[in-house]
Amino acid sequence: QVQLQESGPGLVKPSETLSLTCAVSGDSINGYYWSWIRQPPGKGLEWIGYIHSTGTTNYNPSLKGRVTMSVDTSKNQFFLKLSSVTAADTAVYFCAKLPCITSCVQFDPWGQGTLVTVSS
Amino acid sequence: QSALTQPASVSGSPGQSITISCTGTSSDIGDYNFVSWYQQHPGKAPKLMIYDVSNRPSGISNRFSGSKFGNTASLTISGLQVEDEAEYYCSSYTSRSIYLIFGGGTSLTVL
Repeated sequence: QVQLQESGPGLVKPSETLSLTCAVSGDSINGYYWSWIRQPPGKGLEWIGYIHSTGTTNYNPSLKGRVTMSVDTSKNQFFLKLSSVTAADTAVYFCAKLPCITSCVQFDPWGQGTLVTVSS
Repeated sequence: QSALTQPASVSGSPGQSITISCTGTSSDIGDYNFVSWYQQHPGKAPKLMIYDVSNRPSGISNRFSGSKFGNTASLTISGLQVEDEAEYYCSSYTSRSIYLIFGGGTSLTVL
C-alpha cells in the first residue's frame, strides 16, 4: 500500500524559499501524477500543483510563478519549492498521489502533512 | 472566498441521514463529472470518500453516496455514526486555468 511522507523545515523566513520533500513508499513513483496541497491553519484546502514522474507539471496560477516542482525517480521522491514566501504561505502542506482512476483529479492517498510557518 | 460553495456546518443524530451540498458553476461541476469528496478529522490528512461524483473507492462504506444536479453536487451520509463527525470538502475539475478547486469545507456534527 502506497504511503507518502512529507519532510522539510518547519520554519521559513519571509522572502525566502520553502522547500519540501515527499517520500513515496510501497509503490513506484514512475507512471503516476503526484501533487501538493496546502491548508492554512483553520482554513480550507488549496491545490498547489502536480508533477508526473516524467517531469510534466501543472501549477495553480494563483501562486504567480513562485512554485517549482521536481521529481527524483531514483529516490522515489518528489519536491516542492515555493519562493518569496510571506506569512500567507503559513500552512500545513500535504503531498498526495493522483491515482488517475478515470481522470487525474482526485487525491488518494495523502501524506500526514507538515506544518510550515513563515516568520522572522 | 472558495470557488465551490459549501454550507459551513450541518448536524444530525446517530442513525439519521444528512446531505452536504457543493455548488459551483458551468465551468466546473455543471459541465464535468469530476467531483470528489474528502473527509478530514482534526489533525489528520483528508481521505477520499467519493470520486467522479458518485463512485466510492475500495474500503469506503456504502453509507456514503454522491450525486449531482446541474451546478450542485451532494454528499449523503446515511446511518450516521459518531465517527462520521469530521470536516468534509468537495473538489472539482475546472476548465478555468486553475485546473482544480476545493469547497470551503463543511463541519459535520453528530449529536
